[in-house]
Amino acid sequence: EVQVVESGGDLVQPGGSLRLSCAASGFTLSSFAMNWVRQVPGKGLEWVSSIYGSAANTEYAESVRGRFTVSRDNSKNTVYLQMNSLRGEDTAVYYCGKGRPAEPWFSDLWGQGTSVTVSS
Amino acid sequence: DIVLTQSPVTLSLSPGERATLSCRASHDVNRYLGWYQQKPGQAPRLLIYDASNRATGIPARFSGGGSGTDFTLTIDGLEPEDFAVYYCQQRTRWPLTFGGGTKVEIK
Repeated sequence: EVQVVESGGDLVQPGGSLRLSCAASGFTLSSFAMNWVRQVPGKGLEWVSSIYGSAANTEYAESVRGRFTVSRDNSKNTVYLQMNSLRGEDTAVYYCGKGRPAEPWFSDLWGQGTSVTVSS
Repeated sequence: DIVLTQSPVTLSLSPGERATLSCRASHDVNRYLGWYQQKPGQAPRLLIYDASNRATGIPARFSGGGSGTDFTLTIDGLEPEDFAVYYCQQRTRWPLTFGGGTKVEIK
């Protein structure tokens, strides 16, 4: 089955760190860009970060630049989102999405999301 | 940043009716706009990419149109499973941005 599964969400204190994982199955991750999008419960979607298939290029929302790092391990078919210096406003459900082959910044396959809560 | 404004915020319709959703961009996005559907407790699902192309497995009752700054998503003959929140997203320029969403609810 073709799917992506996020994990790693947790309750963390302000200033803490967390690493989210997005494991792909049923397809070769290295062939596709991957996108991270978050959603505060009851609110809209917010793009967080994207990584090209080659991993040579990454992009970040201004709100997370310098604190979050996206990476991929193609040998493990997994993408990561390292989140440092976490703030209350980072509290959200985080989704990873597989980019379309020719339009990589649209996600055509999403995971179920993983919940991050930043609170003392 | 490119701001996407969706209207209306809420659309109250009955099954079988046509839904017309709007997404207006603050800058020209060419045709690089997509639409997603999201149901409660679920991840978004891509419906339309690059303004008018249906994603794999999306029923023909969903159609998209527009270019530049004005876009529409039309659902011809609402089915019970279509009542959900719909978001537009642009891929023209970083940062990627989403609209605030339109909730299609049962009247």
